[in-house]
Amino acid sequence: GQQLNQSPQSMFIQEGEDVSMNCTSSSIFNTWLWYKQDPGEGPVLLIALYKAGELTSNGRLTAQFGITRKDSFLNISASIPSDVGIYFCAGQMLNTGANSKLTFGKGITLSVRP
Amino acid sequence: EAGVTQSPTHLIKTRGQQATLRCSPISGHTSVYWYQQALGLGLQFLLWYDEGEERNRGNFPPRFSGRQFPNYSSELNVNALELEDSALYLCASSPGGGQPQHFGDGTRLSIL
Repeated sequence: GQQLNQSPQSMFIQEGEDVSMNCTSSSIFNTWLWYKQDPGEGPVLLIALYKAGELTSNGRLTAQFGITRKDSFLNISASIPSDVGIYFCAGQMLNTGANSKLTFGKGITLSVRP
Repeated sequence: EAGVTQSPTHLIKTRGQQATLRCSPISGHTSVYWYQQALGLGLQFLLWYDEGEERNRGNFPPRFSGRQFPNYSSELNVNALELEDSALYLCASSPGGGQPQHFGDGTRLSIL
């Protein structure tokens, strides 16, 4: 099935650095979401975006809904060791009847060196 | 507020057997979604239930089925298990109306 594009598969950064992740799609979505998954746990919602061009922050996290509705990015500032995990983007087409499912990227594994 | 709960945490089956996975949504959430997270394949949408009805299903064979009960909890049934069904099965719930989905910690299904 369709999947969003997230790359690279892994990122390695130094504690205190900022990191940016991008997610692209060949189709448009009217909602973009970012989730983080720790080992042995389910994905946890970080940020939800509902409008093209929207920029939303959640603490040290900032995400944007691309103007074309085909992409989104997530920025983490001043990274800390607990930022380690897998970051997934997900797109959704709401208000389209049967299409309330989430379409996910394959995720980016973030490692933070102390 | 309790989150989405799934049971069992782990399930070990052999080929050809049947598996039943359970999910209790967040209180007040009427929609339940099931996803399969297999190694190397990411999260793939399986099924969506809302108000007791199946609203949409992903690209999976009919041996993947489920239901939603009047209290909005849900069951995922997988018949005639195959080795490639080994995966983490995640349940998510939402209150509908465009609100985001929240996930449980999943059931790890292993097929021997």
